[in-house]
Amino acid sequence: GEDVEQSLFLSVREGDSSVINCTYTDSSSTYLYWYKQEPGAGLQLLTYIFSNMDMKQDQRLTVLLNKKDKHLSLRIADTQTGDSAIYFCAESTDQTGANNLFFGTGTRLTVIP
Amino acid sequence: DAMVIQNPRYQVTQFGKPVTLSCSQTLNHNVMYWYQQKSSQAPKLLFHYYDKDFNNEADTPDNFQSRRPNTSFCFLDIRSPGLGDAAMYLCATSRVRSGLKDTQYFGPGTRLTVL
Repeated sequence: GEDVEQSLFLSVREGDSSVINCTYTDSSSTYLYWYKQEPGAGLQLLTYIFSNMDMKQDQRLTVLLNKKDKHLSLRIADTQTGDSAIYFCAESTDQTGANNLFFGTGTRLTVIP
Repeated sequence: DAMVIQNPRYQVTQFGKPVTLSCSQTLNHNVMYWYQQKSSQAPKLLFHYYDKDFNNEADTPDNFQSRRPNTSFCFLDIRSPGLGDAAMYLCATSRVRSGLKDTQYFGPGTRLTVL
């Protein structure tokens, strides 16, 4: 079965860059996603990357994908206190008849002022 | 403008007392999902509706049922809640079912406490 792993905690100082890492096992993954969950809130899609890409940049966010190593990372530049949240990596496969979206356990990012 | 609305945000029930959680959407999406998220764990898909077509995950307990009376609403019924069912329940929607770039929009969740 699919397995998506993340480290549980990350602390950074305000203004520094944050790098959140994720590994997955399903080589047929088609799309990989990063979701943000603030306390008491639902999941907000931050960005996604298609498996034939190795990098995607969106303002302060940079996603890197190493398909050979099945490693995904999310870099947040100039991290702000408002970025404190839990970040979930998720993968999906483009299988007809089902939506298979598998989440990692989440990384809790704490930004220290 | 809320797009996926969950009511209530917090629900307390007693062991064994049936409870219903509600989700509604203003996106007119075809697919609605229910996830269970226990403390410090990843969200886990329970089931989803593609229009009126119900799709249960293989390991979803029989205690969990769902209803979708129309496009906008979907309900999660827990027939006999146990202490292990205490969790955050997340509703999500997507336009189509394929994982192909079709974003799942999540509601804020309902936190269920079982006494």
